Amino acid sequence: EAQVTQNPRYLITVTGKKLTVTCSQNMNHEYMSWYRQDPGLGLRQIYYSMNVEVTDKGDVPEGYKVSRKEKRNFPLILESPSPNQTSLYFCASSLSPILAGGSDTQYFGPGTRLTVL
Amino acid sequence: GQNIDQPTEMTATEGAIVQINCTYQTSGFNGLFWYQQHAGEAPTFLSYNVLDGLEEKGRFSSFLSRSKGYSYLLLKELQMKDSASYLCAVRLDGGSQGNLIFGKGTKLSVKP
Repeated sequence: EAQVTQNPRYLITVTGKKLTVTCSQNMNHEYMSWYRQDPGLGLRQIYYSMNVEVTDKGDVPEGYKVSRKEKRNFPLILESPSPNQTSLYFCASSLSPILAGGSDTQYFGPGTRLTVL
Repeated sequence: GQNIDQPTEMTATEGAIVQINCTYQTSGFNGLFWYQQHAGEAPTFLSYNVLDGLEEKGRFSSFLSRSKGYSYLLLKELQMKDSASYLCAVRLDGGSQGNLIFGKGTKLSVKP
């Protein structure tokens, strides 16, 4: 089954304790992206990756890091989490914005609800 | 800056037609997406427009006018399961084609 998986689905942590949220897709997609969703603010893009070893900042990259060492995985790293990073996080993937003429569908993972105390 | 506007909430009756509008002012444009998101779930793709005009897909249609920076999503024969948030998103162009800007979403409530 084609899917995007995220782990963990729920996480409560404390300020300053480094954490990683994993994202994996089994569709051989080139493009992957991370979003956060907050009430009243909607979905905001954190980072995206057009292919292996190619990553770019989205609209709200501060406090986050990503890596894309292999095509299927795109982990989101919070080196020193703070309470303002409490949010619902979504990973998404699609074929390629360029090769697919832009019409590619993004498939979203189930979300990770993060609380930073 | 980038700006995408949608109404915050809408209410409609089962069986009716509803139109959800989206206006955008962005630094570039390479397509507009509509997504549906049920409460507590991930967004799912509904439609994509890059040229002006209407795209129809079953009960859902999406319209785009690039000159006006305007799109709408039309839902016909509303069903209770259509109660969800509808997200408008613009893909930027050029070197920022990976950049997708979302509106804040329109929460649609369908009443019997």
